[in-house]
Amino acid sequence: DADVTQTPRNRITKTGKRIMLECSQTKGHDRMYWYRQDPGLGLRLIYYSFDVKDINKGEISDGYSVSRQAQAKFSLSLESAIPNQTALYFCATSPTRNTGELFFGEGSRLTVL
Amino acid sequence: AQSVTQPDIHITVSEGASLELRCNYSYGATPYLFWYVQSPGQGLQLLLKYFSGDTLVQGIKGFEAEFKRSQSSFNLRKPSVHWSDAAEYFCAVGNPGAGSYQLTFGKGTKLSVIP
Repeated sequence: DADVTQTPRNRITKTGKRIMLECSQTKGHDRMYWYRQDPGLGLRLIYYSFDVKDINKGEISDGYSVSRQAQAKFSLSLESAIPNQTALYFCATSPTRNTGELFFGEGSRLTVL
Repeated sequence: AQSVTQPDIHITVSEGASLELRCNYSYGATPYLFWYVQSPGQGLQLLLKYFSGDTLVQGIKGFEAEFKRSQSSFNLRKPSVHWSDAAEYFCAVGNPGAGSYQLTFGKGTKLSVIP
């Protein structure tokens, strides 16, 4: 089983719908992240959380919200999806000690029509 | 602000040939530097990292990278490419400030391998 699990893996939705992407991890890491990947743009950080009570905006947080339900769970929500939020979304984790290594899930591909 | 440039969007090499992927960074001091690989349909996996010390670092899958401060570069190399190396490669820079940091990723270089 994957250490960082994202659900759903693929989702097609319509403009204006609320969408939640979920991430759970079994690595025991305190830190969790949501990234967005677009072709030719690399990865951009949406939100990150260093523990359950600590949530921070990343580079491109507008239009997104997150919830850290537990140490192992970090959800990303799109309250009203729009087509330019069509992308591949990655959850990642890292340990508290700054090793620099991120551990990624396999991604959630979201298409907004 | 830190930034990363990967000048090559797409590179094609023959199996068995050598490989060098370029990465240039912008940062006010010595950064933390990383190379990640993304195989098709997969998340990113760390290949190697540089924090300090020896400027030539070894990673997994036979990859290595050299930190050159004078050129603000951290190029990835492999002496002999295998077909399974076909993937997208991302260079990233981190801020080694106390407590925590965020990574800034380059836009990626897609590697194709010709049999």
